[in-house]
Amino acid sequence: GAGVSQSPSNKVTEKGKDVELRCDPISGHTALYWYRQSLGQGLEFLIYFQGNSAPDKSGLPSDRFSAERTGGSVSTLTIQRTQQEDSAVYLCASSLWGQGNTGELFFGEGSRLTVL
Amino acid sequence: AQKVTQAQTEISVVEKEDVTLDCVYETRDTTYYLFWYKQPPSGELVFLIRRNSFDEQNEISGRYSWNFQKSTSSFNFTITASQVVDSAVYFCALSDFGVNQAGTALIFGKGTTLSVSS
Repeated sequence: GAGVSQSPSNKVTEKGKDVELRCDPISGHTALYWYRQSLGQGLEFLIYFQGNSAPDKSGLPSDRFSAERTGGSVSTLTIQRTQQEDSAVYLCASSLWGQGNTGELFFGEGSRLTVL
Repeated sequence: AQKVTQAQTEISVVEKEDVTLDCVYETRDTTYYLFWYKQPPSGELVFLIRRNSFDEQNEISGRYSWNFQKSTSSFNFTITASQVVDSAVYFCALSDFGVNQAGTALIFGKGTTLSVSS
């Protein structure tokens, strides 16, 4: 498809389990972002990949969170030993900076994670 | 450090009223970008506008207008003659200009929930 694709759309897991969330950005977009949105809250920045630069991991809340972006395209956000407070919608976005582009972020529909 | 403050948590208006959503930002950089996004009840985030720090011209798009004032570090958003379909959460966001000539991660405000009743 033409948009940002995220999977799974819903994930229910037990406390202590590991989860992986996947993001397929728009083809050709150099930048990829992960955000977290808890119920009724704003968007909390987690991590940002831009081209071949080292990712900006400054938003990751703990060392249980990690993310990879393989081949400059698909990204996986991994949460180890999940806790109930990890329950949220995890949003992925991609954008294309430079060359007159607006840098607009295109968001996926999110992965809703529920930790029991 | 970057920071975006949307002091209004919730606003309720009646259709046809004008409403202004406030956004105040903090950054040490002289080059930066400001954004507004809309998140309707369906959940998807919709891009509304981007403004760079060198362009202080106000912008109007239909019923939407934006007032960028560097002197007060504000980028306010006004909806004229509001409609029920405008009901959504509106987010203001800030990105600095990175060394690789690309934006840094967008930092979002906590959002303002706008409810428009008929």
